[in-house]
Amino acid sequence: DSGVTQTPKHLITATGQRVTLRCSPRSGDLSVYWYQQSLDQGLQFLIQYYNGEERAKGNILERFSAQQFPDLHSELNLSSLELGDSALYFCASSVGSGSQPQHFGDGTRLSIL
Amino acid sequence: QKEVEQDPGPLSVPEGAIVSLNCTYSNSAFQYFMWYRQYSRKGPELLMYTYSSGNKEDGRFTAQVDKSSKYISLFIRDSQPSDSATYLCAMTLKGAGGFKTIFGAGTRLFVKA
Repeated sequence: DSGVTQTPKHLITATGQRVTLRCSPRSGDLSVYWYQQSLDQGLQFLIQYYNGEERAKGNILERFSAQQFPDLHSELNLSSLELGDSALYFCASSVGSGSQPQHFGDGTRLSIL
Repeated sequence: QKEVEQDPGPLSVPEGAIVSLNCTYSNSAFQYFMWYRQYSRKGPELLMYTYSSGNKEDGRFTAQVDKSSKYISLFIRDSQPSDSATYLCAMTLKGAGGFKTIFGAGTRLFVKA
């Protein structure tokens, strides 16, 4: 058990809709990372937060946004959903700000119909 | 050209074999090198982490980094059916936007009993 909790496990919705994915990091970890994993693109880095502040940004679309709250949980908001957004979304956490993601959750599988 | 190249496999070996998994990279700015293991329907799990050229050993696993050739390897000795998973290499660099970790596509490994 990595200690990282992601909810929901599965999400099915339609194009144009908006969804929110939630992540609780491992106890003691201050950094949260979001990744998108699809069959053709592999694991793509979206964004990192450290202790509530944005620390690094990857290939995150403008339709996507994230935040980390004072209790360190994080939410990834996806809006104006397109078929191509169907993927596994992983959250990971680590202790420090300048380090690799250490603990991954089991992901949220998003299906756009 | 992708920044990190990894053969997706699949790689099938008999139990007890030595497994060699490899990645190449193009950006000499990468500072940290990692290997993750991902079981089906689970998040990646950090196996090995190193930042210098040379070998690092942990039980049956050895990570090797050759910065001059931009090449990293993971060796698994006495492979077991429980090692069957997808293995992802990953590398971290520090850029203008903070630390970014780039993942390889992953190699699917099957260890036959």
